[in-house]
Amino acid sequence: GAGVSQSPSNKVTEKGKDVELRCDPISGHTALYWYRQSLGQGLEFLIYFQGNSAPDKSGLPSDRFSAERTGGSVSTLTIQRTQQEDSAVYLCASSLASGRTDTQYFGPGTRLTVL
Amino acid sequence: TQLLEQSPQFLSIQEGENLTVYCNSSSVFSSLQWYRQEPGEGPVLLVTVVTGGEVKKLKRLTFQFGDARKDSSLHITAAQPGDTGLYLCAGRSGGSYIPTFGRGTSLIVHP
Repeated sequence: GAGVSQSPSNKVTEKGKDVELRCDPISGHTALYWYRQSLGQGLEFLIYFQGNSAPDKSGLPSDRFSAERTGGSVSTLTIQRTQQEDSAVYLCASSLASGRTDTQYFGPGTRLTVL
Repeated sequence: TQLLEQSPQFLSIQEGENLTVYCNSSSVFSSLQWYRQEPGEGPVLLVTVVTGGEVKKLKRLTFQFGDARKDSSLHITAAQPGDTGLYLCAGRSGGSYIPTFGRGTSLIVHP
């Protein structure tokens, strides 16, 4: 595709339910990032994938959060037993590589609301 | 953890005015990027600066990286309503592949 796509665009769920958020990066981009953006906050790093290397999970806030990237392309972020504090916009970005000047291309995000 | 402080947090101005937003840290960055984010969309890269003292211009936008590579500024001349959005700075230190983002400056330009 022309850019990074994410689905769904909006997700409303009840506290305690599991949710899956999907990211389709730009074809050929080896690096993929997940961020969380809460109201009035900057982007909070969650997890990073680079090629076939083990992901950097250092930003995941709890063990309820997990992510995978299949075939070096599509990625899924899973939040188990959602809590109200998980409500935020979840952004995915991809880049050709991970150098200091590499451009991250962001998707439009998934707005998650936990009731 | 490197912190990036952005100021001001909010800015509401009239079309045609000039403005400057700031991005400051106590850490040294090997590169610093500025993004603009519009409602309902992801951030879009505006510029990357890597050299201390570097100045880059993008039409009416002027970006400067501090000599010590700890701070940066974005100056907009003759702001237009199309400049409205959230401006985010993001820095990478050393060989880190994970950028640290500031909280952003929310700019509204009234016609």
